[in-house]
Amino acid sequence: GNSVTQMEGPVTLSEEAFLTINCTYTATGYPSLFWYVQYPGEGLQLLLKATKADDKGSNKGFEATYRKETTSFHLEKGSVQVSDSAVYFCALSDPETSNQFYFGTGTSLTVIP
Amino acid sequence: GAGVSQSPRYKVAKRGQDVALRCDPISGHVSLFWYQQALGQGPEFLTYFQNEAQLDKSGLPSDRFFAERPEGSVSTLKIQRTQQEDSAVYLCASSLPRTGQFQETQYFGPGTRLLVL
Repeated sequence: GNSVTQMEGPVTLSEEAFLTINCTYTATGYPSLFWYVQYPGEGLQLLLKATKADDKGSNKGFEATYRKETTSFHLEKGSVQVSDSAVYFCALSDPETSNQFYFGTGTSLTVIP
Repeated sequence: GAGVSQSPRYKVAKRGQDVALRCDPISGHVSLFWYQQALGQGPEFLTYFQNEAQLDKSGLPSDRFFAERPEGSVSTLKIQRTQQEDSAVYLCASSLPRTGQFQETQYFGPGTRLLVL
């Protein structure tokens, strides 16, 4: 079946620190992979996505590379800001088996000045 | 342009009451999804519509949960005889139909936070 396993939080970093949030997946087909972000009091927003192996998604300084060999889609940012404080969700969609998205449990990030 | 909207944003219900949660998808989006998000967890799929057709309801936890989208636009998720374990945030998402083998991005509403006392 399809599932996503994501690094547990919470994560606390100082401003300008390097961020990595690990995400690995299990899928029966060839999924698309997504990172969504949920800022306090707001809904889920798409941060970035990759639709095939070796694709790199990027947005707002965040990057993630679709690694089929390690079934991973780790989120990285070189220098975090206080405004990046949010909950980050890794998700996959496998259209060959289902239209639904499968989400990880979320990783809470707090960036302190 | 307007995003996905949901109402009410917050709902408090007494155990045993029926509730109805509304979702207005992005105009023109054919696909509509409902998810349930428990505290500290990721969203979990409930049901999926393509236009007015409910193509997948495998995630609905019991027959107390019912969803409809009669005109292929606005959708309502109804929970009958609410129980405390129904307390969660209910998220609605919409998307265009998938093209080729790739899944289209889902756009989420702000959610309805349901508390059952």
